[in-house]
Amino acid sequence: QQPVQSPQAVILREGEDAVINCSSSKALYSVHWYRQKHGEAPVFLMILLKGGEQKGHDKISASFNEKKQQSSLYLTASQLSYSGTYFCGTDISSGSARQLTFGSGTQLTVLP
Amino acid sequence: DGGITQSPKYLFRKEGQNVTLSCEQNLNHDAMYWYRQDPGQGLRLIYYSQIVNDFQKGDIAEGYSVSREKKESFPLTVTSAQKNPTAFYLCASRLRKNTEAFFGQGTRLTVV
Repeated sequence: QQPVQSPQAVILREGEDAVINCSSSKALYSVHWYRQKHGEAPVFLMILLKGGEQKGHDKISASFNEKKQQSSLYLTASQLSYSGTYFCGTDISSGSARQLTFGSGTQLTVLP
Repeated sequence: DGGITQSPKYLFRKEGQNVTLSCEQNLNHDAMYWYRQDPGQGLRLIYYSQIVNDFQKGDIAEGYSVSREKKESFPLTVTSAQKNPTAFYLCASRLRKNTEAFFGQGTRLTVV
């Protein structure tokens, strides 16, 4: 039931762009994106609700295609601080259930 | 100062012993979650609870037990039936479905 993320790992130079994808086999109500630094708690980036919206947050944005059950996270002009593991989390359409399931993560490394 | 607190940060136990990890939140959140994190496997859902005295199994509940006697507290017991308990455990809470999840700082459990 975990969403599938790709790629598993990305290595960039500072200033380059990256895209991380997340897909689910189940219908989604919402998609969450988090970033985790090694040994720390995941930190919330953004949440996208069904409706095909796109959100932005500094140079990090995301889209959500509910028909395809997919979301993508876009990191533009990456900075060293963007390094970490990115997780997508999904709220599955299942009545009142509040199950929140995460993907296996994408490890992003930004080099100077 | 609202937040979610996990204790202890590091825990060592002998094989065959049960151990309980603490998770407390003062955010007045209804939903609480336990995740297990192993290298390369992302965040896997163990148990979650939507309201007091109610909880549901996640994807990897075998060998674990939980209770939800108070809204603020959601302790996780790792039993001797869990075959490979050494991992990083994260607790999270959120207000309701389709809202941001807040994570504790995690407990690193090592069984020797």
